Amino acid sequence: DAEITQSPRHKITETGRQVTLACHQTWNHNNMFWYRQDLGHGLRLIHYSYGVQDTNKGEVSDGYSVSRSNTEDLPLTLESAASSQTSVYFCASSEIRGPSREQYFGPGTRLTVT
Amino acid sequence: RKEVEQDPGPFNVPEGATVAFNCTYSNSASQSFFWYRQDCRKEPKLLMSVYSSGNEDGRFTAQLNRASQYISLLIRDSKLSDSATYLCVVNGDNTNAGKSTFGDGTTLTVKP
Repeated sequence: DAEITQSPRHKITETGRQVTLACHQTWNHNNMFWYRQDLGHGLRLIHYSYGVQDTNKGEVSDGYSVSRSNTEDLPLTLESAASSQTSVYFCASSEIRGPSREQYFGPGTRLTVT
Repeated sequence: RKEVEQDPGPFNVPEGATVAFNCTYSNSASQSFFWYRQDCRKEPKLLMSVYSSGNEDGRFTAQLNRASQYISLLIRDSKLSDSATYLCVVNGDNTNAGKSTFGDGTTLTVKP
């Protein structure tokens, strides 16, 4: 069965370190998204991609970067981790560039920056 | 003003009750609309899409009012298993058609 996976599921890191969160989907979806979710807030879009070599900034992109070298993967990098980036991170994908498509979410990565 | 606004609740209802959630959105050019369900510490999952004509899936009914820019979700005969956070989701206009904006969610607790 097709799926979307994230790794690691839990990560503790120190302020200033570079961290990369992996997202891998086997749906063969063109669209991929990264969100963060904090207590009392909904999901906020960090970066998104509509296809290979395409990346776009979301509403909270500062301090994060992504690259899309193939269809399956969209890794999220925190260039220099800050305590404000402690959060739960969700990756999602959807089928094609169209408004009516459901997003499928990975199980999330819980990141703690100390 | 947030692009998508929901009453955060919490809603605490007894089993068997009917409960309704509302959501408003600010972008009149928005293309499509959804309700997602999120269980504690888990990923969101699609509950149902919302169509202009209204749609029903078992005990769940979703309505869209484009003129007033609001979306509703009605849950009838609430079950304990309906306890979750319900997220209102709006997909973009023609320039960002695949991008979703999420409300902060409405928390529902169904009690015996």
